[in-house]
Amino acid sequence: QQPVQSPQAVILREGEDAVINCSSSKALYSVHWYRQKHGEAPVFLMILLKGGEQKGHEKISASFNEKKQQSSLYLTASQLSYSGTYFCGTNAGGTSYGKLTFGQGTILTVHP
Amino acid sequence: DGGITQSPKYLFRKEGQNVTLSCEQNLNHDAMYWYRQDPGQGLRLIYYSQIVNDFQKGDIAEGYSVSREKKESFPLTVTSAQKNPTAFYLCASSGGGLYNEQFFGPGTRLTVL
Repeated sequence: QQPVQSPQAVILREGEDAVINCSSSKALYSVHWYRQKHGEAPVFLMILLKGGEQKGHEKISASFNEKKQQSSLYLTASQLSYSGTYFCGTNAGGTSYGKLTFGQGTILTVHP
Repeated sequence: DGGITQSPKYLFRKEGQNVTLSCEQNLNHDAMYWYRQDPGQGLRLIYYSQIVNDFQKGDIAEGYSVSREKKESFPLTVTSAQKNPTAFYLCASSGGGLYNEQFFGPGTRLTVL
């Protein structure tokens, strides 16, 4: 089942902060976050594993609440380059080799 | 430079024709994936392969076929049985390990006329 992302869209001014949430109805091994610019490939941002380990971008932070099966992506002091669609991909397979199921995306627009 | 290449970037075909999309990677990754993306939607998994000569159906495999004869290559054929093939197709690969993050190619936009 597809994870649910919220909000569907966010509009910010440069320097403002945003939080994007991703919720799943399944027990997850990992949550993957990507950013996609229009017409381009998704770019890897972060992976969070159950148990607390994570790997990803220096300037972006995220959390994973295992009890709620919910992950949040925190975008602080936003820049124009942060604009794009953010997707979470969830792995409920029990190991890192499980397939990903992606949310519907959150459109982030940053204005000067 | 290591990476994933997809060709062509844009592809136009007539209804009823089969078409094959290319995906090549030189990252030495074992696993490769094909996703379909429709406007305003997320990515949906078509097929994936975790090792050469083996592949599994994803969530929307009907009307598609794949092969994995070489580690570097994972071509996708969109057959005439696919009811609505016009979409953006993305190929990805991953190298395993604790995180097994996926890296994506630039995509092929297929339009069926």
